[in-house]
Amino acid sequence: DIQMTQSPSTLSASVGDRVTITCRASQSISNWLAWYQQKPGRAPKLLIYKASSLESGVPSRFSGSGSGTEFTLTISSLQPDDFATYYCQQYNSYSFGQGTKVEIK
Amino acid sequence: QVQLVQSGAEVKKPGASVKVSCKASGYTFTTYAIHWVRQAPGQRLEWMGWVNGGDGHTKYSQKFQGRVTITRDTSANTAYMELSSLRSEDTAVYYCARGFTGSGWYGVWGKGTTVTVSS
Repeated sequence: DIQMTQSPSTLSASVGDRVTITCRASQSISNWLAWYQQKPGRAPKLLIYKASSLESGVPSRFSGSGSGTEFTLTISSLQPDDFATYYCQQYNSYSFGQGTKVEIK
Repeated sequence: QVQLVQSGAEVKKPGASVKVSCKASGYTFTTYAIHWVRQAPGQRLEWMGWVNGGDGHTKYSQKFQGRVTITRDTSANTAYMELSSLRSEDTAVYYCARGFTGSGWYGVWGKGTTVTVSS
């Protein structure tokens, strides 16, 4: 099975900060990676697919990069609505990372 | 608009089975797969399996093989996930999501169904 590891697990940041979350795969997954945002009590929401493609309707402050085993999600200027938990998912065999909670500093 | 509407919360005793439904609308049901993902309290998301909306072909996570059955009814545009031999560790929110067969991301999710397993 492909294991997905995110870092950090928790991130404290302020509105306007640039935020970067890293996701590492235990073996190469090419660009078969998605990023989701989840708020408490809600279903996940797709942000990025194919590692760097922005889902329609998602603000352009979100961007993704990487290939192979190392990937990043960047929020260029953190907004109040962005405080949430973020998950990466490889869709070769569908495993998810453990999540990164973005908290208010 | 495209949406997936799931059935309501369930409370089950250990050893019982639960069947959760996911009704699709706003798109051609047979052109996508429906995946099931669960999330235990405070835990990461966990993929369980998928069903091809067209031909009904299924694929399951090895972790749930033998305990999970995913089906679909094209006349009702609805997918179902049945989990048997329930134990307390199966207490979780169960989501359906629109995806692809083989591989792909989830652009549409249901709101989730809470399943509580307790004696």
